Amino acid sequence: EVQLVESGGGLVQPGGSLRLSCAASGFTFSSYSMNWVRQAPGKGLEWVSYISSSSSTIYYADSVKGRFTISRDNAKNSLYLQMNSLRDEDTAVYYCARAPIWFGESPIPNWFDPWGQGTLVTVSS
Amino acid sequence: SYELTQPPSVSVSPGQTARITCSGDALPKQYAYWYQQKPGQAPVLVIYKDSERPSGIPERFSGSSSGTTVTLTISGVQAEDEADYYCQSADSSGTSWVFGGGTKLTVL
Repeated sequence: EVQLVESGGGLVQPGGSLRLSCAASGFTFSSYSMNWVRQAPGKGLEWVSYISSSSSTIYYADSVKGRFTISRDNAKNSLYLQMNSLRDEDTAVYYCARAPIWFGESPIPNWFDPWGQGTLVTVSS
Repeated sequence: SYELTQPPSVSVSPGQTARITCSGDALPKQYAYWYQQKPGQAPVLVIYKDSERPSGIPERFSGSSSGTTVTLTISGVQAEDEADYYCQSADSSGTSWVFGGGTKLTVL
């Protein structure tokens, strides 16, 4: 069974940092691109960041560019999101989500299936 | 920034057909995807590449595309289909991905 389990969320003050993790199992993690998607309380979904299987291709939403860093460790079947300079508006449930395997075609195929259960990040003083 | 537009809400009676639309300028060139999200749960993919249905998704869920609008159709709506539905696609560069604002489907 494919499974994604996020961890690392919590309460942090504005300007602070937090590192989220996503543990993957049930599939060949090193073959798949991955994403982070977030959802503010009572709001819709927002794509945050994408990383290819080899980490060679990375994209960020404008709202987090320069503050968040996505990374992965294929030996540990793990995905990470380092979040710095956190703002009130970063408060959300953060989901990791698998993307399809990318064979180098353009445009990059990207959809989200499956998703983890999410981890809540609260930025507040 | 690129936007996808969905109606905030759609209401139907059980057994009827629900149609949820999603509009965006890049949709003629980019595939659309649809997700179902029930309260307190993570989203689930119900349609990919405009009209393909993942394994395990009931046949009553279908997708279509016409110009700048894509449509999720749920035929013979059941009470369990009550949820929020989000469309998703890429912008014209293909390197930024966006969601529509979501549509709350109410089964009367």
